[in-house]
Amino acid sequence: GAGVSQSPRYKVAKRGQDVALRCDPISGHVSLFWYQQALGQGPEFLTYFQNEAQLDKSGLPSDRFFAERPEGSVSTLKIQRTQQEDSAVYLCASSFAGGALQETQYFGPGTRLLVL
Amino acid sequence: QKEVEQNSGPLSVPEGAIASLNCTYSDRGSQSFFWYRQYSGKSPELIMFIYSNGDKEDGRFTAQLNKASQYVSLLIRDSQPSDSATYLCAVKQSGGSYIPTFGRGTSLIVHP
Repeated sequence: GAGVSQSPRYKVAKRGQDVALRCDPISGHVSLFWYQQALGQGPEFLTYFQNEAQLDKSGLPSDRFFAERPEGSVSTLKIQRTQQEDSAVYLCASSFAGGALQETQYFGPGTRLLVL
Repeated sequence: QKEVEQNSGPLSVPEGAIASLNCTYSDRGSQSFFWYRQYSGKSPELIMFIYSNGDKEDGRFTAQLNKASQYVSLLIRDSQPSDSATYLCAVKQSGGSYIPTFGRGTSLIVHP
């Protein structure tokens, strides 16, 4: 496809359940970002990959959150032992290189996670 | 801590009017600035970016940057009901950090 895709689009999990969210960036895009967006808030940075290297994971809220991009394309965000406060929209974005200040990010449709 | 501040609104304007959206930022090292539009339940989409002081125009949209005062604004001329959305300001710093910081967004309502 031409854009960033994410799956699933919606996920309902019981508290304590593990979830895995997938992001398929635009082909050829080196940089990949994960954000968490709570209702009424802007996207909050979680983690950043350049190819397969995770260069920044300072935004991951706890060690229950883990992200990987093993082959430098598709990425998975995993949340272990989900809590109600994890309920949010998880956005993935990609950019061609990530090194230019004016370079823009292209967002996927997001995964809406609800933890009951 | 790097902060990007936006009034959450809602900002309500009549159709055909100019909508003015403002954003302030705390880090003087900020170098590039982005405006995204986000419709309810959808993902953010880029409208404009600006990195030089002054105005940048693209169709009905004008971004204005004043680094000395640390604010960036977005003007929407001839506002249409289809412009009703949340507008997110994002700021990037220089010095190796390519990760933008987003404001919470301003909700714009354009009423007929």
